[in-house]
Amino acid sequence: DTGVSQDPRHKITKRGQNVTFRCDPISEHNRLYWYRQTLGQGPEFLTYFQNEAQLEKSRLLSDRFSAERPKGSFSTLEIQRTEQGDSAMYLCASSLASTGFGNTIYFGEGSWLTVV
Amino acid sequence: DAKTTQPNSMESNEEEPVHLPCNHSTISGTDYIHWYRQLPSQGPEYVIHGLTSNVNNRMASLAIAEDRKSSTLILHRATLRDAAVYYCILRDTGSGNTGKLIFGQGTTLQVKP
Repeated sequence: DTGVSQDPRHKITKRGQNVTFRCDPISEHNRLYWYRQTLGQGPEFLTYFQNEAQLEKSRLLSDRFSAERPKGSFSTLEIQRTEQGDSAMYLCASSLASTGFGNTIYFGEGSWLTVV
Repeated sequence: DAKTTQPNSMESNEEEPVHLPCNHSTISGTDYIHWYRQLPSQGPEYVIHGLTSNVNNRMASLAIAEDRKSSTLILHRATLRDAAVYYCILRDTGSGNTGKLIFGQGTTLQVKP
């Protein structure tokens, strides 16, 4: 499978614990995006990387959230001191950085987080 | 904020064509019209995109109005597996732009056997 891979697919954690999600983008895709989706809503943009540089962060990304993309390959999204409101599906997506018609964004299957 | 307007829900019968409308009156010259769909418990799946001309692929067709202020996603023969939320998204892929997708609420398509 050469699509976007996310791990773990499901995570249940107690409030106050830290969690980390990993995303492996499609090989050679230099753009990587993180989104969050709650039930009944469309995905919401969180942050964007081009190669290893984090170039945009949404206001939704509070201080408890941090994302990295060392070496411009896989990415991690860490949530510290989780709250019940963090329960959501976290989606990773990737694309090439070319402009115009060719840079379709492809999504992974998502990582479900439940904070109890 | 999303720059498109879609009906909240639509119904279709299996094996009949489905036309999913989208209004985007504030579209700019560098905005591409993208359609994604999301099946339950899965990530969004790319369907089709276009700029000015109508587009066809194995999944669907995209009809774009001449003034580009609206478009229609056409599923030629709906199947039960096409039941999903369909998102119409304007994406600015100009130079220097992140090209991120901004999702709205989408249209929930129900397909009846």
